[in-house]
Amino acid sequence: GAGVSQSPSNKVTEKGKDVELRCDPISGHTALYWYRQSLGQGLEFLIYFQGNSAPDKSGLPSDRFSAERTGGSVSTLTIQRTQQEDSAVYLCASSLWGLLGGYTFGSGTRLTVV
Amino acid sequence: KNEVEQSPQNLTAQEGEFITINCSYSVGISALHWLQQHPGGGIVSLFMLSSGKKKHGRLIATINIQEKHSSLHITASHPRDSAVYICAVSPLGTASKLTFGTGTRLQVTL
Repeated sequence: GAGVSQSPSNKVTEKGKDVELRCDPISGHTALYWYRQSLGQGLEFLIYFQGNSAPDKSGLPSDRFSAERTGGSVSTLTIQRTQQEDSAVYLCASSLWGLLGGYTFGSGTRLTVV
Repeated sequence: KNEVEQSPQNLTAQEGEFITINCSYSVGISALHWLQQHPGGGIVSLFMLSSGKKKHGRLIATINIQEKHSSLHITASHPRDSAVYICAVSPLGTASKLTFGTGTRLQVTL
């Protein structure tokens, strides 16, 4: 596609439920990143996929968070047993060669846990 | 102390003013990025710098690697420039991670 597409754009869920957030990167971009922006906070790195290499998961805040990238394209970020502190905007970005190649952000998924 | 510090945190300017946003960092980097985030959350990558200066339209970004400092300038500012401007760095040895500043909220009024 022309840009990075994220869905849903907004998600309200009850505490304890699982949620899945989707990112469809720009076609041909080998690198994909997930970031989180909590209310009033800066952006926080979550996970990075580069081609077929093992992902860098060092930013995931707990084992309730996981992500996968199927076929080197679409990625899904899953949050299990959601907590109120998980409420944030989850942003996906993709790039051709990693950070040094410049990158494009999606418009994010606003997650609210009630 | 954050690895990336931005100043000012908030900035109000009148249309037409020349604007400067500063970013200082404390780690060795492979690149520095300036991002723009509009109300509603969309983020646009403005510049990626590893040395010198880049210009795009009314925007100019400079970096001094020795001083670990970068500036983003906006000439002839316009209300549509109102946004949060975020500085982020790619620390050396971390191919994947960006470390972000907390952003500068710019409001340009008529």
